[in-house]
Amino acid sequence: DIQMTQSPSSLSASVGDRVTITCRASQGISNYLAWYQQKPGKVPKLLIYGASTLQSGVPSRFSGSGSGTDFTLTISNLQPEDVASYYCQKYNSAPLTFGGGTKVEIK
Amino acid sequence: EVQLMESGGGLVQPGGSLRLSCAASGFTFISYGMSWVRQAPGKGLEWVSVISGSGGSTLYADSVKGRFTISRDKSKNTLYLQMNSLRAEDTAVYYCAKSTGTRRDDAFDIWGQGTMVTVSS
Repeated sequence: DIQMTQSPSSLSASVGDRVTITCRASQGISNYLAWYQQKPGKVPKLLIYGASTLQSGVPSRFSGSGSGTDFTLTISNLQPEDVASYYCQKYNSAPLTFGGGTKVEIK
Repeated sequence: EVQLMESGGGLVQPGGSLRLSCAASGFTFISYGMSWVRQAPGKGLEWVSVISGSGGSTLYADSVKGRFTISRDKSKNTLYLQMNSLRAEDTAVYYCAKSTGTRRDDAFDIWGQGTMVTVSS
């Protein structure tokens, strides 16, 4: 099965910073990659699918890129409401594996 | 409004069984694949199982294969997860999630609020 590895596992940044989270697949998955945001105590929310397509209603400061095995989620102007854990997920074929998650905090 | 609502969680002894339900509304249920995803306390997301819109195709994570069964009832717009031979490591919040498109294997655009399953003696 394909493994999904996220880095870093946690980060601390200042409001207004540009933040980048990476996700690596152990084999190529084309662009079948989604990103989710989970705020503390809340349900996960879809941010990006198809590696780079922003889900409706998601702020434009979120963006995704990549294809094949290497992907990135970028938050261009970190806001206090972005404090959350972020997960990547492959969905080219089951198992629909998630990455281990990245916890984003405000410095 | 598109909604998913889980029920059926609770406390069960190791080796016991539990059936989770997920009531869907606001969309054409049979058109979308559905999954179960779980999250152990303080841990990350773990995909558990997926079922196609027709119900004819299913797949499971290795950690639950042979113990859990996913199914759906189109007359009731309801997704199920039958969990047998439960272990302490199955303790988690269980979410049902709707596929974004009509493929069985897809990203999840709608999630339920989750139901807690605790396996303990």
